[in-house]
Amino acid sequence: EVQLVESGGGLVQPGRSLRLSCTASGFTFGDHSMSWFRQAPGKGLEWVGFIRNKASGGTIEYAASVKGRFTISRDDSKSIAYLQMNSLRTEDTAVYYCTRGYNSPSYWGQGTLVTVSS
Amino acid sequence: EIVLTQSPGTLSLSPGERATLSCRASQSVSSNSLAWYQQKPGQAPRLLIYGASSRATALPDRFSGSGSGTDFTLTISRLEPEDFAVYYCQQYGNSPRTFGQGTKLEIK
Repeated sequence: EVQLVESGGGLVQPGRSLRLSCTASGFTFGDHSMSWFRQAPGKGLEWVGFIRNKASGGTIEYAASVKGRFTISRDDSKSIAYLQMNSLRTEDTAVYYCTRGYNSPSYWGQGTLVTVSS
Repeated sequence: EIVLTQSPGTLSLSPGERATLSCRASQSVSSNSLAWYQQKPGQAPRLLIYGASSRATALPDRFSGSGSGTDFTLTISRLEPEDFAVYYCQQYGNSPRTFGQGTKLEIK
């Protein structure tokens, strides 16, 4: 069974950093690209970025709203994808989801809440 | 960036009725790379349709997707109580990937 479990969320002050992890199981992690999405409280869905698998070049793309502040990486040996978030702003407050794939993902984690507030 | 506009914002219907949800793109969606998701409160989104008209695994056949270019539709032929939720369209043919603002399907 495919499972994606996000962790690392919490309360953080503006300007600080946080790293989210997405631990995968039930499939060969290295064969798949991984994506991050987010959803602010009471709002719609927003794409954050993705990282392709090595066979597809390992390239990374980001939404304009996070480019230069957020970094996506992966450790295929541990089956974990990461989202490093720096210079956090109040508008980054959201539930963050990781997904398998980068087009129309059918597997989503349960999400982890990040609250940016002083 | 491709802007997706969903209509209506809220749709009030009764179980057994037919639901028609619209998603219009600001420019043509490459290769009909358009997906639909269902989201219930406190849950992650669930993929329903990809490639504009292909059903996700195990999706009941009362759900169908259609359209091409800039106009897409999600149809639920006979609403079941569990279908009342928020629905989002998403394009993945171009970066950045973008979503519509959602249509809330509520019980009348």
